[in-house]
Amino acid sequence: QGHLVESGGGVVQPGRSLRLSCAASGFTFSIYLMHWVRQPPGKGLEWVAAISYDGSFTYYADSVKGRFTISRDNSKNTLYVQMNSLRPDDTAVYYCARDVAGDSTTWGQGTLVAVSA
Amino acid sequence: DVVMTQSPLTLPVTLGQPASISCRSSQSLVYTDGNTYLSWFQQRPGQSPRRLIYKVSNRDSGVPDRFSGSGSGTDFTLKISRVEAEDLGVYYCMQGTHWPYAFGQGTKLEIK
Repeated sequence: QGHLVESGGGVVQPGRSLRLSCAASGFTFSIYLMHWVRQPPGKGLEWVAAISYDGSFTYYADSVKGRFTISRDNSKNTLYVQMNSLRPDDTAVYYCARDVAGDSTTWGQGTLVAVSA
Repeated sequence: DVVMTQSPLTLPVTLGQPASISCRSSQSLVYTDGNTYLSWFQQRPGQSPRRLIYKVSNRDSGVPDRFSGSGSGTDFTLKISRVEAEDLGVYYCMQGTHWPYAFGQGTKLEIK
């Protein structure tokens, strides 16, 4: 089934940067499409970004395009998202997830990012 | 971009009775490989989302058979044959056919 653990969340000022990590275990990380999905407090789910199994293709929501960069290190079984120019509306719990639309998915517990002065 | 629209947004239910949630997409979700990548997720209070259904009608491992998915093209439905207390929470549909992926607004299942 597999296990995903996000880290790197916290409080950050508007305009600053933050990098989230997601450590994978219990499955072959290097063969899966991986995603970041976020959920603002009290609101619904928003798909954020995805990266192909080998990192050659990346996809972004319009709301983060040009500010967020998704990446992965298959040698470390780790997924990342670099978040620049953060805004208050980026405040959310950020989940990493494996293959959200495919035959087998796993989600992490999430990490909270709060953008506030 | 594809827009996913769920209805109703709130669904009062009686325990033991059936429930149904509708999800419509702004364009067909049939992919070039012939599959339709429409999923349903459940989120209980304070928990991470849990996927229930993938590719319209396939139940994920461990999902009770009272949950079923159906539909095609742009119209999809999640049905619960007999609602149990543990089913209360918010349900989301999600399309994974077109980039960017997209979730519906969510439907809150609550006790009538």
